[in-house]
Formats: sequence, C-alpha cells, structure tokens
Amino acid sequence: EVQLVESGGGLVQPGGSLRLSCAASGFTFSRYWMSWVRQAPGKGLEWVANIKQDGSETYYVDSVKGRFTISRDNAKNSLYLQMNSLRAEDTAIYYCAVEITMIPNNYFDPWGQGTLVTVSS
Amino acid sequence: SYELTQPPSVSVSPGQTARITCSGDALPKKYAYWYQQKSGQAPVLVIYEDSKRPSGIPERFSGSISGTMATLTISGAQVEDEADYYCYSTDSSGDHRVFGGGTKLTVL
Repeated sequence: EVQLVESGGGLVQPGGSLRLSCAASGFTFSRYWMSWVRQAPGKGLEWVANIKQDGSETYYVDSVKGRFTISRDNAKNSLYLQMNSLRAEDTAIYYCAVEITMIPNNYFDPWGQGTLVTVSS
Repeated sequence: SYELTQPPSVSVSPGQTARITCSGDALPKKYAYWYQQKSGQAPVLVIYEDSKRPSGIPERFSGSISGTMATLTISGAQVEDEADYYCYSTDSSGDHRVFGGGTKLTVL
C-alpha cells in the first residue's frame, strides 16, 4: 500500500523557517516526480513545488520562489520542503503527492494526509 | 495566469444526478482531472484523463469533456458523496499546474 506521511508542521513567527518532511513507502520512490501542494484554511488547492526523480530539476510557484526549497533523499525515501522567510499567507495544510508523468500533462496521485503550517506572531 | 473556473456550489437530493463543470481554455489540449476532498481529509483522485475512473471509485462517478468544458457527473448521488470537488489541469505549455476553485457538493 502506498503511504505518504508528512511531518514538521507547526506554529512559526513571520520571517521564520520550517522544514517539512514526507516519508514515502509502498512504491519505488526514486522513480517518480514528487510535489508539494498546499491549502490555506477554507480555501482551494495550490501547487507549490515539484522535483524530478533524481533531484536535478525543481520548479516552484512564483509566490514561493527564492524562499522555499524542495529536495529529496532517495536513499531514505523522503521528500522535503525547506521554507524560509515565512509569511502569514503561507499558512496552510501542506500535502506531499506523487506526481504522475503523463502526456500531455502530469497529475497527482496519491496524496499524504497533510501537515499544518501556521505563520503568526 | 491560467485559470480553471468551477461553480462554488451544487446541491442535489439523494439519488439525483449531480453535474459539476470546469472551464478552461487549454482543456481541448490538456486532460482534466477531478479530486474529491471530504471534510478534514486529503484529496482523492476520482477521474483521470478526462473520463477514466481509478480502481475503487464507484461507477456512479464519470467524467466528460466538450470543448473548453470538463464535467464531473455523479449519477445517483449519495449522502456520502458530499464533499468539495476540484478540477485540475495545466495551461497549454504544460508548465503551470492549476486547480479550479472547488465546488461544494451538498446532497440532502
């Protein structure tokens, strides 16, 4: 059974940092692109970042470029999101998801249960 | 920036057919995907590649595409289908991953 378990969320002050982790199991992690998707309280879904199988390519939504860094450790079957210079608008549940590579466009399946990040003073 | 447009809410009685639409200019060229998100839970894929149903998803869920509009149809909606539904696709370049704003389905 495929499992994605996020951790590392919590309360952080504006300007602070947080590192999220996603532990993967039940599939060959190193064969897949991985993504982070977030959901602000009471709002919709927003793709945040993704990373290629070997970590050689990463992409970000404009609002987090220069502040967030996605990375992975295939030996540990783990995905990470380093979040710096956090803002109130980064408050959200952060989900990790397997990104399925398809032509003409990729999609996400499955998703983890999410971890809540709250940015507040 | 690319947008996918969904109605904020749809309401049906149990056993009726619910239809949720998603419009986007690139949908004739890019697949639409549909996710179900029940309260407090992570999203679950219910339709992929416009009209295919993953294993384990009830047959009452179906998807279709016509021009720039994708439609999720729930035939004989059940109370347990109450959830937020999100369409997902990409712009014509494939680079921008976009979710629709979500549709709250009420079945009562």
